[in-house]
Amino acid sequence: DAGVTQSPTHLIKTRGQQVTLRCSPKSGHDTVSWYQQALGQGPQFIFQYYEEEERQRGNFPDRFSGHQFPNYSSELNVNALLLGDSALYLCASSRLTGAVGYGYTFGSGTRLTVV
Amino acid sequence: AQKITQTQPGMFVQEKEAVTLDCTYDTSDPSYGLFWYKQPSSGEMIFLIYQGSYDQQNATEGRYSLNFQKARKSANLVISASQLGDSAMYFCAMRVYTGANSKLTFGKGITLSVRP
Repeated sequence: DAGVTQSPTHLIKTRGQQVTLRCSPKSGHDTVSWYQQALGQGPQFIFQYYEEEERQRGNFPDRFSGHQFPNYSSELNVNALLLGDSALYLCASSRLTGAVGYGYTFGSGTRLTVV
Repeated sequence: AQKITQTQPGMFVQEKEAVTLDCTYDTSDPSYGLFWYKQPSSGEMIFLIYQGSYDQQNATEGRYSLNFQKARKSANLVISASQLGDSAMYFCAMRVYTGANSKLTFGKGITLSVRP
């Protein structure tokens, strides 16, 4: 049973460019959340998608946008990249309903470096 | 707003000994859950243990136990019989069960190093 798959694993972009990160959720999960983890910090919630709509959003600018597809996979898009966007981007999948304590499965992340 | 505080500096423990990682939290919501995750250098967040705010007993999962003191708003992780593979970053996180909220709020993490 595959867990959460993220691609690519590493990415280097130039300031001002745009980037798209991808996530395939764990089988049976219908909800995808994205987190940004700066070096030496804990992950920060960006947003969550369910039924192809943004369900909840953290304190991130509109440069961060996302999408969820009918197969529950998701993309995170970041426009006009800043040096401060350099971080590990984690995707977590879950089921919107069901056991509350054990529901989150994380991927290994995409390491984005902005130069 | 929710807040998780992890203030310990890097922790060191001898192999086969027990270690406690501290976590305090702050929320005004009565219904919440507390999580501990392990993050090795590979980056993946690995779920360790969960405690609900209404759970009467402290959670245990194999070598992991959670020392939940609700009045003090603390949820410390205890790892018994440490192994070399336990060396990693450890994060405490919280979710409140209010409305449509389902995000996890994380602390800054604690680095644990297990010495042979």
